[in-house]
Amino acid sequence: GENVEQHPSTLSVQEGDSAVIKCTYSDSASNYFPWYKQELGKGPQLIIDIRSNVGEKKDQRIAVTLNKTAKHFSLHITETQPEDSAVYFCAAGRNSGNTPLVFGKGTRLSVIA
Amino acid sequence: EAGVAQSPRYKIIEKRQSVAFWCNPISGHATLYWYQQILGQGPKLLIQFQNNGVVDDSQLPKDRFSAERLKGVDSTLKIQPAKLEDSAVYLCASSLASGVNSPLHFGNGTRLTVT
Repeated sequence: GENVEQHPSTLSVQEGDSAVIKCTYSDSASNYFPWYKQELGKGPQLIIDIRSNVGEKKDQRIAVTLNKTAKHFSLHITETQPEDSAVYFCAAGRNSGNTPLVFGKGTRLSVIA
Repeated sequence: EAGVAQSPRYKIIEKRQSVAFWCNPISGHATLYWYQQILGQGPKLLIQFQNNGVVDDSQLPKDRFSAERLKGVDSTLKIQPAKLEDSAVYLCASSLASGVNSPLHFGNGTRLTVT
């Protein structure tokens, strides 16, 4: 089955700097890669996703890149703000059938003001 | 729109006791999921419902866990008897349909502590 590895497990950045979180996946059939943000005491919330037919997607300060050949994808947050502090999860899944999403172990991002 | 509702928010029980969690998905969402999130890890799928039928329960420890979604709306997840390793946050999520074209919407979870 699918296995998703996520790095780093913790990340501290100064406010205004960029943050990058990387994930690798094992199943070459996976073609959907969402990123979730989880704040303390809340459930994960989808912030951006990418499908295997594109290599990059941006939404304001957030971007995700995908390298299908190497089977890795990354989340980039620019101009970080204190409210970006949270745990971020990557996940991988297939567009077809009912194969469930497999999540990484998460990255705790701390943005220091 | 109202989000996914879960209750209770917290539960503390002793091992070998039983516990039940409740979930009300977003109105109109046909697919409902229960995830287990152990501290420091990502969510792991326990069971997926499509309307009131089970789609995937391959990772549900069926000797102690059970779930139902009568009438295809609300769902309950039960653990009987609980073990120490069941301590985790139990997240309910829903989506319009199955498959990754329908994003998951998570509730805030129930934090279970088994002592």
